[in-house]
Amino acid sequence: AQSVTQLDSQVPVFEEAPVELRCNYSSSVSVYLFWYVQYPNQGLQLLLKYLSGSTLVESINGFEAEFNKSQTSFHLRKPSVHISDTAEYFCAVTWQTGANNLFFGTGTRLTVIP
Amino acid sequence: KAGVTQTPRYLIKTRGQQVTLSCSPISGHRSVSWYQQTPGQGLQFLFEYFSETQRNKGNFPGRFSGRQFSNSRSEMNVSTLELGDSALYLCASSLEAGYGYTFGSGTRLTVV
Repeated sequence: AQSVTQLDSQVPVFEEAPVELRCNYSSSVSVYLFWYVQYPNQGLQLLLKYLSGSTLVESINGFEAEFNKSQTSFHLRKPSVHISDTAEYFCAVTWQTGANNLFFGTGTRLTVIP
Repeated sequence: KAGVTQTPRYLIKTRGQQVTLSCSPISGHRSVSWYQQTPGQGLQFLFEYFSETQRNKGNFPGRFSGRQFSNSRSEMNVSTLELGDSALYLCASSLEAGYGYTFGSGTRLTVV
């Protein structure tokens, strides 16, 4: 069965420090991978996605994630966080064939401490 | 271009009532999906519509239903509301799975 695991429910980090939010998935078929961010009282915003090609993908606001097929991981990283990065981050997977729905992890609450 | 629009943003209903939520996808997107978000269960897939046909359905009771119109706009309906239906309901539109999904701001439903 397919599943997405976000190992950390909460991650506190000081401003300008690096951060890594972990995501592992389980699937018997090829997948597309996504990271979404959710600010309070808002919907989900796409941060970045892996569809194919280069295993390292980047967002416009300094986040990056690397697809590791052998470890079935898609960890999210940022070298230097800002207060404005405080939010909930969700890792999600969908399958390249078959159902067209997202399967989400339980989310990681990132809190940036001034 | 305009994003995914969900109406209303907030809704308060009484147990036993029914409710209809609306979603207008990004122009050109034919796939519309619905998700329920609660603190206890997280984000769960409800159903997906593509070109007016339900293409996929999550594990929710029959009280939850939806439809899609010819202009790709979608509605979801919940009948005989229960307290546990209180949640943020999110709509997402996409071209296809490989192009990613754009979410609306959601409808916050409170059942009292």
